[in-house]
Amino acid sequence: AQSVSQHNHHVILSEAASLELGCNYSYGGTVNLFWYVQYPGQHLQLLLKYFSGDPLVKGIKGFEAEFIKSKFSFNLRKPSVQWSDTAEYFCAVSSFSNFGNEKLTFGTGTRLTIIP
Amino acid sequence: NAGVTQTPKFQVLKTGQSMTLQCAQDMNHNSMYWYRQDPGMGLRLIYYSASEGTTDKGEVPNGYNVSRLNKREFSLRLESAAPSQTSVYFCASRAMPGLAGGRSTDTQYFGPGTRLTVL
Repeated sequence: AQSVSQHNHHVILSEAASLELGCNYSYGGTVNLFWYVQYPGQHLQLLLKYFSGDPLVKGIKGFEAEFIKSKFSFNLRKPSVQWSDTAEYFCAVSSFSNFGNEKLTFGTGTRLTIIP
Repeated sequence: NAGVTQTPKFQVLKTGQSMTLQCAQDMNHNSMYWYRQDPGMGLRLIYYSASEGTTDKGEVPNGYNVSRLNKREFSLRLESAAPSQTSVYFCASRAMPGLAGGRSTDTQYFGPGTRLTVL
């Protein structure tokens, strides 16, 4: 069974600081990787995703993530955070069921608080 | 184009009561999902429906039933609510099942959630 680990439960940064949120997964097969963001009181929105090709993927709002296959990692980065980045961030990995259908396994989430 | 909608947004139940959470999507997606979100546990899959007419259990199906009413709608039913089912419930949809032996290029889109409290 696949699993996803997010090591940072709560990260507090000042505006303009650089951000890196860790994500490691365990899965024996080919993976699709995602980062979702949940702003306070809102639903999950896709931040970025990796399926194949360039392991450095760029998402919305200046976020990027790097897939390092040898480390089973997909860390999220942003060079300079803003107060509006305050949210909860979820890493997820997909697998296929017997129906050939994608199922997402989520990490436990990292709460990011940006101090103005 | 509303995307994924859920009703109700909030609900309070007493232990033993039943209720159905409704989910609908207008994106003509084949696959639909129900998750629950609990503090410190991320999102866990309850049930999913790869296509109209099929449903399958996820990670935490006990105490729940689902119905894929048609391509648009996927409901989640709690027959006898328990305090352990207090959670935020999210519905999601996805365009198509992954190709056998291939890789998905689709993404799950989430609804706004239903906050359920069971007393």
